[in-house]
Amino acid sequence: AAGVIQSPRHLIKEKRETATLKCYPIPRHDTVYWYQQGPGQDPQFLISFYEKMQSDKGSIPDRFSAQQFSDYHSELNMSSLELGDSALYFCASSLVLGESSYNEQFFGPGTRLTVL
Amino acid sequence: AQTVTQSQPEMSVQEAETVTLSCTYDTSESDYYLFWYKQPPSRQMILVIRQEAYKQQNATENRFSVNFQKAAKSFSLKISDSQLGDAAMYFCAYRSVYGGSQGNLIFGKGTKLSVKP
Repeated sequence: AAGVIQSPRHLIKEKRETATLKCYPIPRHDTVYWYQQGPGQDPQFLISFYEKMQSDKGSIPDRFSAQQFSDYHSELNMSSLELGDSALYFCASSLVLGESSYNEQFFGPGTRLTVL
Repeated sequence: AQTVTQSQPEMSVQEAETVTLSCTYDTSESDYYLFWYKQPPSRQMILVIRQEAYKQQNATENRFSVNFQKAAKSFSLKISDSQLGDAAMYFCAYRSVYGGSQGNLIFGKGTKLSVKP
């Protein structure tokens, strides 16, 4: 079965540079979530999209922006990178069946971002 | 806001024995979902087991089972017949029932499980 694809898997950037992370959800899934997991930390929710519209926002810095495109893939854009942005960035996708129904989130393998 | 607490940063178990990982949570909602995720050294997030709060019966998945105590807001994971491949970080997570696409996961800090041969 198809899984969530994230690219690149590894990314090394310098401070103050810009990075773009991509996520390709499971086919027919309409919702994408982005999580950030710092070293030795638990994943923290950043932002989500449903049907190409921003759905919810968590602890996402103003330097970060994201969008979901017409083909449902999503991109997380990170500008003015800081050392503290070094983390594993997960994308998860799900199919939302209704306001109060269970919809399992399937995680991608993550993008490991290192800021030097 | 909901919170998830895992009070055991590290646990160790002998191969073939049983171990229980603890998780408590705080919420004012009456209906929600609870999950245990496994994160091996590959860092992939793998769903181990889930529990719907409206179900009184504890969820089981092969060697994995939970003890869900709604009144106490407790959700522990029991791993029976532990195997070397069970060694990983385990995260307890909460998700609201409501909000559809806004139902992001809230994770605990994790418990690192070691399995001794």
